[in-house]
Amino acid sequence: SAVISQKPSRDICQRGTSLTIQCQVDSQVTMMFWYRQQPGQSLTLIATANQGSEATYESGFVIDKFPISRPNLTFSTLTVSNMSPEDSSIYLCSARKGNMNTEAFFGQGTRLTVV
Amino acid sequence: GENVEQHPSTLSVQEGDSAVIKCTYSDSASNYFPWYKQELGKRPQLIIDIRSNVGEKKDQRIAVTLNKTAKHFSLHITETQPEDSAVYFCAAQMEGSARQLTFGSGTQLTVLP
Repeated sequence: SAVISQKPSRDICQRGTSLTIQCQVDSQVTMMFWYRQQPGQSLTLIATANQGSEATYESGFVIDKFPISRPNLTFSTLTVSNMSPEDSSIYLCSARKGNMNTEAFFGQGTRLTVV
Repeated sequence: GENVEQHPSTLSVQEGDSAVIKCTYSDSASNYFPWYKQELGKRPQLIIDIRSNVGEKKDQRIAVTLNKTAKHFSLHITETQPEDSAVYFCAAQMEGSARQLTFGSGTQLTVLP
């Protein structure tokens, strides 16, 4: 198993500013991901955080808006840049171990409100 | 890419009754199908999963069935309890997809006491 600590758990930010969310896993994991979840909605994959290289972004998400770091096998950050009210959402970190078809673990989420 | 559709979006059942949630997927190359439960304000947590070489899997009151020909899979919860009330998400993973999951839209299950 893996325990994921994510912080901050919530924040209220001014538009135009940036927020960095941290994700710490208690053990080494193969894959780390960042999701966005609007209240009452499903999980939308933002990007795969690659250790030692640039993240792989999904359609509709770009590095300039959501820069991601993954310096090692247990830690990743997601920055939400130049925020607008449309960025208000819950951001979730996820991690998977092993090579194929393994459980995805989730952090508790960061509830972001942009005012 | 993969597309996962989930039905119903809301489901209310009486305590003790069974609940069934259904998902369909688009890509026949998908080979891993987990189900997640998310309580209000909490993180999603895996409750059961099934791989494409298995047709059914059961864990106490929870079971999942997979029909690869029809490309659909279902979650069955028997003897429902109020603590089963939550949002349930199905997901599918395509073979060779760098272990990314595509999630369904979610089902809000309410178990009425």
